[in-house]
Amino acid sequence: GAGVSQSPSNKVTEKGKDVELRCDPISGHTALYWYRQSLGQGLEFLIYFQGNSAPDKSGLPSDRFSAERTGGSVSTLTIQRTQQEDSAVYLCASSRDMDTQYFGPGTRLTVL
Amino acid sequence: GEDVEQSLFLSVREGDSSVINCTYTDSSSTYLYWYKQEPGAGLQLLTYIFSNMDMKQDQRLTVLLNKKDKHLSLRIADTQTGDSAIYFCAEIHGSGNTGKLIFGQGTTLQVKP
Repeated sequence: GAGVSQSPSNKVTEKGKDVELRCDPISGHTALYWYRQSLGQGLEFLIYFQGNSAPDKSGLPSDRFSAERTGGSVSTLTIQRTQQEDSAVYLCASSRDMDTQYFGPGTRLTVL
Repeated sequence: GEDVEQSLFLSVREGDSSVINCTYTDSSSTYLYWYKQEPGAGLQLLTYIFSNMDMKQDQRLTVLLNKKDKHLSLRIADTQTGDSAIYFCAEIHGSGNTGKLIFGQGTTLQVKP
């Protein structure tokens, strides 16, 4: 079946603008995760959603970052007032309950 | 604290075996993973091992787990040029197989023809 999809694949924005990144998980997967990959920090966990439980936001680096998951499916990661240090590849993953995480291709964000 | 460590680079000749090593800190991790990332691509799950296992074999891949030393290794037999990629070790923090992944820095595997 279809894998995790993310859009856009690339996003270039100016410092101070807001951006929204989208993730479509694999159908039927109850858990959804956001990570980011940057040269300086490697792969970092940001947030995850598990069913109807409150999301684990412990990895969000600042209050400029937020995410929501509507209807238990699609998720949007929003970064407000982007900074140059936000430049990274943002990866989404999903899993069935108690199963391994499968990753999407990522969104490469460049903040000028 | 949360820390997964890997060596950064490994170079082998085509046809040789590759061994990529990883150490982790959380003894309560129930699953440990190996992911592969090719240039410009996302993360591909290669294999995983449950913490009550010592070894898992899957075709050319062998995973060894030493819980006492918190050491995980991935052996690739008969390494091919198509195996050139970055390999990430990860442990899971959460309940069972659900939770956040903590990744190592990644080992770049270079396979020379």
